[in-house]
Amino acid sequence: NAGVTQTPKFRILKIGQSMTLQCTQDMNHNYMYWYRQDPGMGLKLIYYSVGAGITDKGEVPNGYNVSRSTTEDFPLRLELAAPSQTSVYFCASSYSPLAGPQQFFGPGTRLTVL
Amino acid sequence: QKEVEQNSGPLSVPEGAIASLNCTYSDRGSQSFFWYRQYSGKSPELIMFIYSNGDKEDGRFTAQLNKASQYVSLLIRDSQPSDSATYLCAVNTGNQFYFGTGTSLTVIP
Repeated sequence: NAGVTQTPKFRILKIGQSMTLQCTQDMNHNYMYWYRQDPGMGLKLIYYSVGAGITDKGEVPNGYNVSRSTTEDFPLRLELAAPSQTSVYFCASSYSPLAGPQQFFGPGTRLTVL
Repeated sequence: QKEVEQNSGPLSVPEGAIASLNCTYSDRGSQSFFWYRQYSGKSPELIMFIYSNGDKEDGRFTAQLNKASQYVSLLIRDSQPSDSATYLCAVNTGNQFYFGTGTSLTVIP
């Protein structure tokens, strides 16, 4: 059981470039989440998904897009990268929040936009 | 906007002492409450969760919830240097989780 895996671990982007952060979980969790964590701050929810084909915005969705075509995968797309998107990105998964809400986090992707 | 507030610290306690971490939240509809530990450069890991008013104990950790006061706390007994980390309070409302900014704890040997 690998849990939640994220790739890449580190990435440097130039302003205006695009990239996709990959997230995969092998626990058959319905719920998946993308967070960003700025230095000295808590986690802010970007997008979440309650199952394949269903996604919804979190607190800070601007500049990002997601898709959920399978239960296992939940990629996060950055279009037209900006310095404000420099952050550490965590993917997480869980069962239904009402049925055992523990979130399992991936190791994170550290993104720098220059 | 749903808010979760924590004292950012840093909080320093001597080894063997009790560390007390506090958190308040703004949404009375919040359903469940979590404490995560995060070591520098690592992802958060769950320590405790609590749904109901009162205390919940797990080993050296005790979570306390008071929904009337919208307050949740974490007590760490017999603090160890390995407990030195940032502790994140999180609140679940519907399908979303809201995190505080974290309290930095240092346990001094």
